[in-house]
This record gives sequence, structure tokens and C-alpha cells, in this order.
Amino acid sequence: DQQVKQNSPSLSVQEGRISILNCDYTNSMFDYFLWYKKYPAEGPTFLISISSIKDKNEDGRFTVFLNKSAKHLSLHIVPSQPGDSAVYFCAASERGGGSQGNLIFGKGTKLSVKP
Amino acid sequence: GAGVSQTPSNKVTEKGKYVELRCDPISGHTALYWYRQSLGQGPEFLIYFQGTGAADDSGLPNDRFFAVRPEGSVSTLKIQRTERGDSAVYLCASSSPKGELFFGEGSRLTVL
Repeated sequence: DQQVKQNSPSLSVQEGRISILNCDYTNSMFDYFLWYKKYPAEGPTFLISISSIKDKNEDGRFTVFLNKSAKHLSLHIVPSQPGDSAVYFCAASERGGGSQGNLIFGKGTKLSVKP
Repeated sequence: GAGVSQTPSNKVTEKGKYVELRCDPISGHTALYWYRQSLGQGPEFLIYFQGTGAADDSGLPNDRFFAVRPEGSVSTLKIQRTERGDSAVYLCASSSPKGELFFGEGSRLTVL
């Protein structure tokens, strides 16, 4: 039973347009959410996070939106660039539970940004 | 080095053999994590160390898996009597005081 779901295994977007990656979760105890980016043959790298007390966090071209009532979060990348092509993982944790790194990951969405 | 270092990067072994995977975290990071990523899946939590002790080992799949961190820095993940289903990329991460995880490049294990 997956607690973090990324229902789109892949997404293709034109350079300069917006990329929207979606993530749903089932555990209402999750209070911290993160997005990681992964290139082939590399480990995941942290991109952006959001605490459950917020509904939006922005960092440059990347914005994460959290809708707690819907148990849904999304990552917006605008404008998208070819270098953004990678697999994006959504992750969640119960930070209040003490195990800060026990992240539950989704299966990932492979983003392809076409020049 | 500046990042999390994992060795070996690739390991091919035969079913039933014993394997050790090593992780050298970022200097000064007290928290260390092991994850496993199977093909087409996201990383799956295995175990978390705070200093020398395993604070949470709830993700270890069975007693063939064991991890140590005797001096609070380098950690070794040990897999006994390997099975084909153990084939995966084993990721190590260490955590900054803010809680952000920094992952290594992983050790790809193939059990024939």
C-alpha cells in the first residue's frame, strides 16, 4: 500500500513552458514534504521542501504547492529548461515523529524537457 | 571529499554470498541513512543511525540485512546469503542539522 503516489511515470514539456509534477499521499500524519531530482547514475539531490504549516514554497524557478485537505502536492517548474530533464521524486515524512530521515518516496516521474 | 561517498559503485555476486557496502558520510553529519532503490521504484528506507546507534531499523527487510556504524562516521551495510531479489541500488545519505538529506551515488548490487 503506497503512502506516496506519483501517478504519472513520465511527462514531456516544451522548453520555456511550465512543468507540473503531481504527488498524492495517504498518511495524514505526514507533516514535511520534499522533492528530489535524480539524474542517471547519480544519487537523488534535494530540490525543495515544504512544511505542512505552509501551502506554498518558492525557490527560483521551482514552486511547491501543498493542499492538505486533498493530501496533494505539486511541483511547478517555470520556465522549464532542457537541463531539468531528470526523474523527480516526491517524498514525505513525519518529522514530529523524530525519525527525520525516514522519508517515504513515490515511484518518481521522469520529466523530459524538449528544446 | 565534500559529498557522501559509497563503495563499491558496482558489485556483482552470486546467490548465497556475503556482501558489504560502505558509506562515508559528509564530515560532521551525525545522522546517516541507508535506502534501497529497486528498478522502477522510489528509494525505500532501510535504517537510520544517529551517531553510532541505529535509531530506526524498521526498514530492514529481514535478518539477512545488518548495518553498523561503530565510530559514528563510516557505515557498512552487510547482506548475508544474498538472494536475487536483493539486486538493487543501495543509497546512503547523511543529514545536515536542518534535516536535508544528501545522497551518495549509490552502490549497484547485482545478485546472479
